Amino acid sequence: EAQVTQNPRYLITVTGKKLTVTCSQNMNHEYMSWYRQDPGLGLRQIYYSMNVEVTDKGDVPEGYKVSRKEKRNFPLILESPSPNQTSLYFCASWMNTEAFFGQGTRLTVV
Amino acid sequence: DQQVKQNSPSLSVQEGRISILNCDYTNSMFDYFLWYKKYPAEGPTFLISISSIKDKNEDGRFTVFLNKSAKHLSLHIVPSQPGDSAVYFCAARNDNYGQNFVFGPGTRLSVLP
Repeated sequence: EAQVTQNPRYLITVTGKKLTVTCSQNMNHEYMSWYRQDPGLGLRQIYYSMNVEVTDKGDVPEGYKVSRKEKRNFPLILESPSPNQTSLYFCASWMNTEAFFGQGTRLTVV
Repeated sequence: DQQVKQNSPSLSVQEGRISILNCDYTNSMFDYFLWYKKYPAEGPTFLISISSIKDKNEDGRFTVFLNKSAKHLSLHIVPSQPGDSAVYFCAARNDNYGQNFVFGPGTRLSVLP
């Protein structure tokens, strides 16, 4: 089954404690991206990747890092999380047209 | 500056009637447009798309219309059903920008029984 898998689904952490949200896709897609969804702001792109070792900033990259060492994985790293990064995060992958999304990770930073 | 706009944050429609969700864009380089549907606690799922060379695409109860001169697209749902209640995101792709997608802020549709 074609899917994008994110882990964890829910995470509560404290300010400053480094965390990683994993994302994996099984469709051999070249493109992958991270979005955050906040009320009234829709899906804002954090980072995206066009292929292995090729990443670029989206609209809201501050406070985030990503890496794309393998085609299937695209982890999102928060080196020093802050409360304003409390949000719902989605990973997506695509080849040409339709993007497939993961189930989401709800992150709370206290 | 938002390149994809959905000016109605919410919309309520009676079951059986038509739902019309609107989307405006500013970048004339967008070549492909999509609509996604999102239920609570789930990721967005693809609904329907349209290429910039077409002005209409239909799939069952869902039809997307594209007016390139007005930089406007709309999603029509006929007839609306309570299961259509969700947040709908409009998205656009610029093939000259690494096939990246830009999403609108979403419209929450409520279909009332």
